[in-house]
Amino acid sequence: GENVEQHPSTLSVQEGDSAVIKCTYSDSASNYFPWYKQELGKRPQLIIDIRSNVGEKKDQRIAVTLNKTAKHFSLHITETQPEDSAVYFCAASKEGSSNTGKLIFGQGTTLQVKP
Amino acid sequence: NAGVTQTPKFRVLKTGQSMTLLCAQDMNHEYMYWYRQDPGMGLRLIHYSVGEGTTAKGEVPDGYNVSRLKKQNFLLGLESAAPSQTSVYFCASSRQGREAFFGQGTRLTVV
Repeated sequence: GENVEQHPSTLSVQEGDSAVIKCTYSDSASNYFPWYKQELGKRPQLIIDIRSNVGEKKDQRIAVTLNKTAKHFSLHITETQPEDSAVYFCAASKEGSSNTGKLIFGQGTTLQVKP
Repeated sequence: NAGVTQTPKFRVLKTGQSMTLLCAQDMNHEYMYWYRQDPGMGLRLIHYSVGEGTTAKGEVPDGYNVSRLKKQNFLLGLESAAPSQTSVYFCASSRQGREAFFGQGTRLTVV
């Protein structure tokens, strides 16, 4: 079945540094890859997503890259700030006619940004 | 527009008791999901539904049942609760598998 692996499980950076979180997926038919941020005690919320027809997408300080051949995608956060501290989840699913409805998440990365 | 609402927010059960968690969404989304969140395990899919009257098993379905009698509601049932089901449960909905919107979560403790 579908599987999403996420690394690292914890990441600590100094304010202003960059942070990178990596995910791999097993189902080559997956074509939609969202990233969610979950602050302590809150619900997960979408921060950025990418579809398989593009290799990179940016939104201010965050960017996501996708390598379909290697079946992995990454989240990049530049100029990190203390408010970026949270748990980040990657996920994979299939949009369109092949959509089975499943949205599978990685294990999560706890990011700590030290002031 | 409330989004996704879960009931209850907290619950303590004794081993062997049963309960139902209710998820309601007002966004007319087709897809709905139930996840459980445990430390170090991420969000694991329990069951999901792609439309009214349909349900399917996710990654960890054992010990849970679901029903989707109305498009806006997705119920998660525990017939005989076990301590291993102590977790935070999240419901989510999406329009055909796109951005998922989550409820506020239900913290369940089974003693």
